Amino acid sequence: QLQLRESGPGVVKPSETLSLTCTVSGDSITSSSYYWDWIRQAPGKGLEWIGSIYYSGHTVYNPSLKSRVAISVDTSKNQFSLRLSSVTAADTAVFYCARRFDSWPNYFDYWGLGTLVTVSS
Amino acid sequence: DIQMTQSPSTLSASVGDRVTISCRASQSISTYLNWYQQIPGKAPKLLIYAASSVQSGVPSKFRGSGSGTDFTLTITSLQPEDFATYYCQQSYTTPYTFGPGTKVDI
Repeated sequence: QLQLRESGPGVVKPSETLSLTCTVSGDSITSSSYYWDWIRQAPGKGLEWIGSIYYSGHTVYNPSLKSRVAISVDTSKNQFSLRLSSVTAADTAVFYCARRFDSWPNYFDYWGLGTLVTVSS
Repeated sequence: DIQMTQSPSTLSASVGDRVTISCRASQSISTYLNWYQQIPGKAPKLLIYAASSVQSGVPSKFRGSGSGTDFTLTITSLQPEDFATYYCQQSYTTPYTFGPGTKVDI
């Protein structure tokens, strides 16, 4: 059974860089037809897609965050990571990693449990 | 970006009820529409993909329909575990966007 687990600091200071890692177990991150995504949810708010990475390193980002986001993959560890720079209180959210089936019809079928990151001094 | 809207934002129902949630896209997305269920404190769970296909392991009480810009999620015979927030999401083009959610409560 595929499992995804987010890890990283729960608190980040304003203007610093948020870094999270998603560890995938139960399947290889190099499986074809799947991208690996980050999605966030601010407290009491809806879901916002951040970006995707393929095991080859190809990335796609949400234009609203593109200038501050970097997603990377480490196939040897079966992990992918998110870096979000210059954070503010508005970046406080639960961050989810998810697997996305990229061929039609394209959906998020497995999600991690999520990790809350609070931006605070 | 494609904007997704949902109605109603909150829906009060009783156990055994049949409920319908609407989702509208700001432009045609064919059937690139997915539905997720989120129970408080939990990750979203895929229910329906491609507008009407039920994800493996999801009971057939969840039904999706629609194409183009208008979609619906119908839940029959509501059970206590179905009280949650439901989100639609378009996968037609990036950035992938979600609706604001419909909370189904008692």
